[in-house]
Amino acid sequence: AQSVTQLDSQVPVFEEAPVELRCNYSSSVSVYLFWYVQYPNQGLQLLLKYLSGSTLVESINGFEAEFNKSQTSFHLRKPSVHISDTAEYFCAVSDVDFGNEKLTFGTGTRLTIIP
Amino acid sequence: GAVVSQHPSWVICKSGTSVKIECRSLDFQATTMFWYRQFPKQSLMLMATSNEGSKATYEQGVEKDKFLINHASLTLSTLTVTSAHPEDSSFYICSATSWTSGSYEQYFGPGTRLTVT
Repeated sequence: AQSVTQLDSQVPVFEEAPVELRCNYSSSVSVYLFWYVQYPNQGLQLLLKYLSGSTLVESINGFEAEFNKSQTSFHLRKPSVHISDTAEYFCAVSDVDFGNEKLTFGTGTRLTIIP
Repeated sequence: GAVVSQHPSWVICKSGTSVKIECRSLDFQATTMFWYRQFPKQSLMLMATSNEGSKATYEQGVEKDKFLINHASLTLSTLTVTSAHPEDSSFYICSATSWTSGSYEQYFGPGTRLTVT
């Protein structure tokens, strides 16, 4: 069984400040890791994912996350946030054997950008 | 591309009635669709995995007779909440998988908010 912990339920950040959203996971097998973003009144969208290779993965809108196997973490970071980044962010894992077909989600972190 | 729709986006029903929620992949065929339930301030909980042409696989603790899933085609899956009760009120989200760039990717619908009175 797998589990995902997002310790911060809400994170307020001033515009143009850096942000880190924390994600830790627990699994007895190898995993794939994902960050999804949910804008108000919309479905979840994939932000970035780690499947293999480089442990640092980036999204097209400036977010990055680093897979740290020893610390079982996949924290999401952005050096300078924008108002449009206001959303709910979900970390998720899947068993490598299942591909990314069966996801276990964290409880989400609501990122609020303060003008 | 890879858009998933859900209908309705919200529904209010009386206790004891049944409600059907549709999930469609609009521009791709999905062999597998998933149904999730999300409570306020909680994570998405996987309810069942739906494969086209076969019976759905339910997660432990999910009543299959209460939450009927039908995956009739490669673009449509439905979730019927039978004999709904107030405790079934929740946000229901579906997703559909597509093979993209060497791996499966899940595309999520916008969700359906069910309120049972």
